[in-house]
Amino acid sequence: GQQVMQIPQYQHVQEGEDFTTYCNSSTTLSNIQWYKQRPGGHPVFLIQLVKSGEVKKQKRLTFQFGEAKKNSSLHITATQTTDVGTYFCAGPPDSNYQLIWGAGTKLIIKP
Amino acid sequence: DTAVSQTPKYLVTQMGNDKSIKCEQNLGHDTMYWYKQDSKKFLKIMFSYNNKELIINETVPNRFSPKSPDKAHLNLHINSLELGDSAVYFCASSQVFRPSSYEQYFGPGTRLTVT
Repeated sequence: GQQVMQIPQYQHVQEGEDFTTYCNSSTTLSNIQWYKQRPGGHPVFLIQLVKSGEVKKQKRLTFQFGEAKKNSSLHITATQTTDVGTYFCAGPPDSNYQLIWGAGTKLIIKP
Repeated sequence: DTAVSQTPKYLVTQMGNDKSIKCEQNLGHDTMYWYKQDSKKFLKIMFSYNNKELIINETVPNRFSPKSPDKAHLNLHINSLELGDSAVYFCASSQVFRPSSYEQYFGPGTRLTVT
């Protein structure tokens, strides 16, 4: 069946270092959505990418959608303690299908 | 005003009991979902309703029965609870089901512990 693989599962960084999480789909995605879940919280929508090769920025966060619409990445520059949480990607293989979720990448800031 | 609310927030119960979780959204959305998040944080969709009609029913034990009295409410009833049912259950909603380009809004979650 359709799968969205997300790596790494965990990433430990020092505050101020960069962080990247990657999503790879076994099939072309209609769009890709990114969510953030703070510890003890619920997933919160961050952004959606629709076009092939699309790049969007939100302050220190940069989101990319691959040319083949099968992969995506989220890059955080100069992480801060407020960035701690689990980042999920999710996308449907076509717009008539439900979201397929990645397993999430947990960002941990080393003390 | 809370967009998607769930009750209760915590639920501790013994094996074999029956329990319900309630969800309400005040966003005027047509579609609601139930997700299960296990200890490894994996989000697994269980059910989806669109305008009170069941549209997604993933491989879930039939001990789990959703019910949507109206499009603003989606409840989850669980019979004969088992240890493996311990997880956080999230309710979510989106404007419509198709196209699936609309973001989902999640409730705060219900942490179910079965002892």
